[in-house]
Amino acid sequence: DQQVKQNSPSLSVQEGRISILNCDYTNSMFDYFLWYKKYPAEGPTFLISISSIKDKNEDGRFTVFLNKSAKHLSLHIVPSQPGDSAVYFCAASQSLGDMRFGAGTRLTVKP
Amino acid sequence: IAGITQAPTSQILAAGRRMTLRCTQDMRHNAMYWYRQDLGLGLRLIHYSNTAGTTGKGEVPDGYSVSRANTDDFPLTLASAVPSQTSVYFCASSVTGGSSPLHFGNGTRLTVT
Repeated sequence: DQQVKQNSPSLSVQEGRISILNCDYTNSMFDYFLWYKKYPAEGPTFLISISSIKDKNEDGRFTVFLNKSAKHLSLHIVPSQPGDSAVYFCAASQSLGDMRFGAGTRLTVKP
Repeated sequence: IAGITQAPTSQILAAGRRMTLRCTQDMRHNAMYWYRQDLGLGLRLIHYSNTAGTTGKGEVPDGYSVSRANTDDFPLTLASAVPSQTSVYFCASSVTGGSSPLHFGNGTRLTVT
């Protein structure tokens, strides 16, 4: 029962363009959403998060959008850089619950 | 450097053998977790501990056990390994649990033959 879904296993974009990574969830009790970035042979690292009381959170080149009615969130990276090439995991949690992860999307940014 | 240390980095294990994956953190975080990463399935929670002395089951706890004798250490034990436990295992910690971001170790790649 995957409560967090990333339906695109991979995404390829040109350097300088926008990368949009998508995530859907099924559990309406989730109230906090996070994105993690993972390089090969390393553990995931926290990138950006958003609370369910907001619909947008921005941190430099990274912006996360939340659409609660659609149970959908997305991560925008503008402009994309080759160093952004990694696997991105979407995660969701309840305030007192554990954190559930999607299957990940492999982003490749071409120079 | 503060963070999470996992050992071993990789291991090949015969089916039926017992194995303990070690995890130590030096950030004094209250909560610790064990996840396994499998292709197409992402990260799935095995066991967690919200504070020293307590543990709980995650999504896929069968075949695994944990203990939390102190704040820093959170070992994961496979009592009798099976091939389906071949995976990459990540230990993580967070300040308070719940929605606070996780800090991950670099993982242990385990192959059960």
